[in-house]
Amino acid sequence: NAGVTQTPKFQVLKTGQSMTLQCAQDMNHEYMSWYRQDPGMGLRLIHYSVGAGITDQGEVPNGYNVSRSTTEDFPLRLLSAAPSQTSVYFCASSGQGVAKNIQYFGAGTRLSVL
Amino acid sequence: GEDVEQSLFLSVREGDSSVINCTYTDSSSTYLYWYKQEPGAGLQLLTYIFSNMDMKQDQRLTVLLNKKDKHLSLRIADTQTGDSAIYFCAEGSGGYQKVTFGTGTKLQVIP
Repeated sequence: NAGVTQTPKFQVLKTGQSMTLQCAQDMNHEYMSWYRQDPGMGLRLIHYSVGAGITDQGEVPNGYNVSRSTTEDFPLRLLSAAPSQTSVYFCASSGQGVAKNIQYFGAGTRLSVL
Repeated sequence: GEDVEQSLFLSVREGDSSVINCTYTDSSSTYLYWYKQEPGAGLQLLTYIFSNMDMKQDQRLTVLLNKKDKHLSLRIADTQTGDSAIYFCAEGSGGYQKVTFGTGTKLQVIP
């Protein structure tokens, strides 16, 4: 049972480069989210999705795009990376009903933008 | 907006009890959570409590909720070196995916 899988685990980019952080879950969860974790700031919500074809912005969406074409996958795209996007990125998913606020997290992607 | 606050660091001796505290501001919180993050890993849900409860016990973990003061605590009995990690408090305000995290408390267990 893989749970939430994020790839890559580490990435170094140059300013202006683009990349996609991958997230996949095998629990048939409707809800998926992307967070970034910065020192002293906890986790901040970037984008989230309540189901395939539906996405919405979180607290810090600027500079990031998402799409949700399938229930399983929720990629996060950086169109033009900036040093301010150096962070650890976590993907999370949760089920429906009472379980919708119980989130399962991936292991994270550590991104450095030079 | 909602805010969740925690102290940044706690150091305890192995075998002692650890108490990690958290305060939150959203009075409409329905779920309150404790997550554990080990070095280089994602967040792992430890336990959660509904806002209509004041205590929940799960083996070595005891969660206390004072809804009037918006104060949540996590007590770890007989703390072990394997408990060394960052502990995040979080609150869910109903709806969906509406979870606000604290900044995390780093627990150091001294052998």
